[in-house]
Amino acid sequence: TQLLEQSPQFLSIQEGENLTVYCNSSSVFSSLQWYRQEPGEGPVLLVTVVTGGEVKKLKRLTFQFGDARKDSSLHITAAQPGDTGLYLCAGARNDYKLSFGAGTTVTVRA
Amino acid sequence: GAVVSQHPSRVICKSGTSVKIECRSLDFQATTMFWYRQFPKQSLMLMATSNEGSKATYEQGVEKDKFLINHASLTLSTLTVTSAHPEDSSFYICSASFGGGTDTQYFGPGTRLTVL
Repeated sequence: TQLLEQSPQFLSIQEGENLTVYCNSSSVFSSLQWYRQEPGEGPVLLVTVVTGGEVKKLKRLTFQFGDARKDSSLHITAAQPGDTGLYLCAGARNDYKLSFGAGTTVTVRA
Repeated sequence: GAVVSQHPSRVICKSGTSVKIECRSLDFQATTMFWYRQFPKQSLMLMATSNEGSKATYEQGVEKDKFLINHASLTLSTLTVTSAHPEDSSFYICSASFGGGTDTQYFGPGTRLTVL
């Protein structure tokens, strides 16, 4: 059983469209991290959110941490083919270990 | 900053041999390093947590005698897959953390192990 439920599992959209990926849990996390991974490479950190209700923006990417620190979302505005990849959320608890969601494979078609 | 390297990036070995994978934090000292395994189209599974100068802590179901971890310095951890078999073929990824209450982990590029 996955501690973090990530949805959707797959997402295929046209260039210019928006998308949202969700990460939900019944557990409280001290922080939540979002990564993007390309085939054959390690995950690359996008953002760490720490405070309940926190919103962080990185160019066209917006990350939100739920008020109760149990869930998070990633929203991409005007997606581009370069946004294609596997998006992973990971929650940290008091032991500093990360629990990963199953991942969302995003494909942006030109 | 926060760059983590892994070596080798790919390795092919015969069944029964041992393979060592190195994980280095290049521009910071990593109090804690983690080793993960990832199967195709799946998420990362934590294998073990490694703290410099102490024994690694293995996750349930991970054989410590099979996957030997050494964290000899604040910038280097090694994973040795002993007597490898085809079912050990996988993508192995390490990560490093600053520690001191910081949760963020920085990942290496991964090592693709193929056991024939």
